[in-house]
Amino acid sequence: DQQVKQNSPSLSVQEGRISILNCDYTNSMFDYFLWYKKYPAEGPTFLISISSIKDKNEDGRFTVFLNKSAKHLSLHIVPSQPGDSAVYFCAAISNTGNQFYFGTGTSLTVIP
Amino acid sequence: KAGVTQTPRYLIKTRGQQVTLSCSPISGHRSVSWYQQTPGQGLQFLFEYFSETQRNKGNFPGRFSGRQFSNSRSEMNVSTLELGDSALYLCASTQGANLQETQYFGPGTRLLVL
Repeated sequence: DQQVKQNSPSLSVQEGRISILNCDYTNSMFDYFLWYKKYPAEGPTFLISISSIKDKNEDGRFTVFLNKSAKHLSLHIVPSQPGDSAVYFCAAISNTGNQFYFGTGTSLTVIP
Repeated sequence: KAGVTQTPRYLIKTRGQQVTLSCSPISGHRSVSWYQQTPGQGLQFLFEYFSETQRNKGNFPGRFSGRQFSNSRSEMNVSTLELGDSALYLCASTQGANLQETQYFGPGTRLLVL
């Protein structure tokens, strides 16, 4: 049972435009959320996180939005750059803090 | 500081065999987690070790086991391999016991079971 879902397996965006990656979760016990970026042949690298007490967290070109009532979070990348082309995973941790739950990933392609 | 290292990077085994994968965390990190990545399933949590103790375990059969040594290095073992075990196995380390700390991933071991 997939508790964290990324329903778009792939996304293509023009360079300079906004990329929006979406993630839905089912477990109301999740209270900490993260986004990871993964290039081929490398392990995932941490990008940005958000606690459930916030609804937005911003770090440079990356902003994560959390809608707790909808159990939905999104990652916005503005402006998108070709180097952003990678697979993006969202992840959640429950308030018991015992493990990560990852989504299936969205492959982002930024077209120059 | 050196990153998380995993050995071997690639491995080919046949059904029924067993395999041991190794993970060396970042120096000073005490928590090591293991994940299996397959197409369509994302990263699925296997288990997490902290100070040589398994603290958490995901929903994998008992064929999957692990351990952590006093130097925080960790090994993962899969016995009686099945075709479906073909995957990328990733380990990640964090410095302390809090999973909200940033996890640092290794490059993974790609296992192919024939």
